[in-house]
Formats: sequence, C-alpha cells, structure tokens
Amino acid sequence: GQQLNQSPQSMFIQEGEDVSMNCTSSSIFNTWLWYKQDPGEGPVLLIALYKAGELTSNGRLTAQFGITRKDSFLNISASIPSDVGIYFCAGLNYGGSQGNLIFGKGTKLSVKP
Amino acid sequence: SQTIHQWPATLVQPVGSPLSLECTVEGTSNPNLYWYRQAAGRGLQLLFYSVGIGQISSEVPQNLSASRPQDRQFILSSKKLLLSDSGFYLCAWITRRGGLAGYTFGSGTRLTVV
Repeated sequence: GQQLNQSPQSMFIQEGEDVSMNCTSSSIFNTWLWYKQDPGEGPVLLIALYKAGELTSNGRLTAQFGITRKDSFLNISASIPSDVGIYFCAGLNYGGSQGNLIFGKGTKLSVKP
Repeated sequence: SQTIHQWPATLVQPVGSPLSLECTVEGTSNPNLYWYRQAAGRGLQLLFYSVGIGQISSEVPQNLSASRPQDRQFILSSKKLLLSDSGFYLCAWITRRGGLAGYTFGSGTRLTVV
C-alpha cells in the first residue's frame, strides 16, 4: 500500500532557528497537506498544496509540492516556543471512490527558549 | 460555517463493554468521512472511511466497525472492547467540491479501556 516517509522523527532546536522537514512517497499524490497537532487535540491544517511545483506560504511556514508529485517539504522560519508540537504530512488522491489521506508518522518539534 | 463535532471527549470503558463514538459535520453535504486512531506518541492510523450513506471501507481488520446512517453522521462502534482498543480516536472530513477541499479533524475522543 501507499506509505509516506517523514523525516526527521524529532527535532530539538533553539528559539529563532529555522526548521525543515520533509516527506517522500513511492506513489504519486495529487494533493499534499501539512498538519500540526498539539497534545490532546486533533490535527489542524497548516498548508494545502494542489499542484506539482507549487510553493505556498502561511506566515512563517512555507511548503512545497515536489515536481515529481512524490515529495513535499515544510519550512518554519524563526521558530518560537508555540511552534512546539507534532507536524504531519499527508498525501491524498482525490476522486472517484477514493479520498483517503495517507499520513506520515510525524515530526515532533521541541523549541528551547 | 463548516464544523465537525465529535463526542465524547474522553471515555473510560471496561474490557468487554460496547462502544459507540459519534461524529457529525455541519455546513457541508456529501462529505468523505474518516475515522483515525492514534496511539500515544504515534502517527495516525486510518480505520474506516465513507464516501456516502451506508458506504464503509475498512482499512485494517480489527475489533471495530463503522456505520454512516446519515450523510453527516459517522459512528464508530465495538461490541466488545479490548485493551488494545485504547487510544485517541479522530474523525475527519473532506469535501468534494472540484479541486478545493476542506480537510478538518474533530477534537478527538480519548478512549481508555480498563
């Protein structure tokens, strides 16, 4: 079945540093999503990417949809303590009877003030 | 506005007891609906998804079942809970409007089987 490889599994960074994480897949997706999950809460959508090569920003977050449609990255610039959480990538092929999200295993981000 | 409701927020159930978790969405029609489970510190595991009323697809064999009696209602059930059913259960929905989609999760149900 389809699988997403997300890396790194965890990151410990200093406040103010930039963060980069990525996801790769053996399969093609037509939509890539990035979520953040705080403890005890459901994941919240950060960025959605719909076109190969697309580069999208949301505040200090930037994500790109790889040109091969098999990968995506998320960058966070100038990290702050509230960026702490688990970040998930997810791939989706939308259409027909399909529509299930495939998630990466997450990147746990810790920020030292 | 489009919202998703999931309840209860927390649940403690004895082994062998039944389970019913409910998820409802508002502000949309004919959504794809999903049940995920998340073990502590782990990723999200897709359990079931539904593309319409009465249509359920199961991703993994397990002690759970799902039903979609109405367009905006998705129910996760078990006849007899196992200890291994403990976890954080999340409902999610996706709209089907051309290329735009709403990917929204509920706030989750923390299930502890004792």
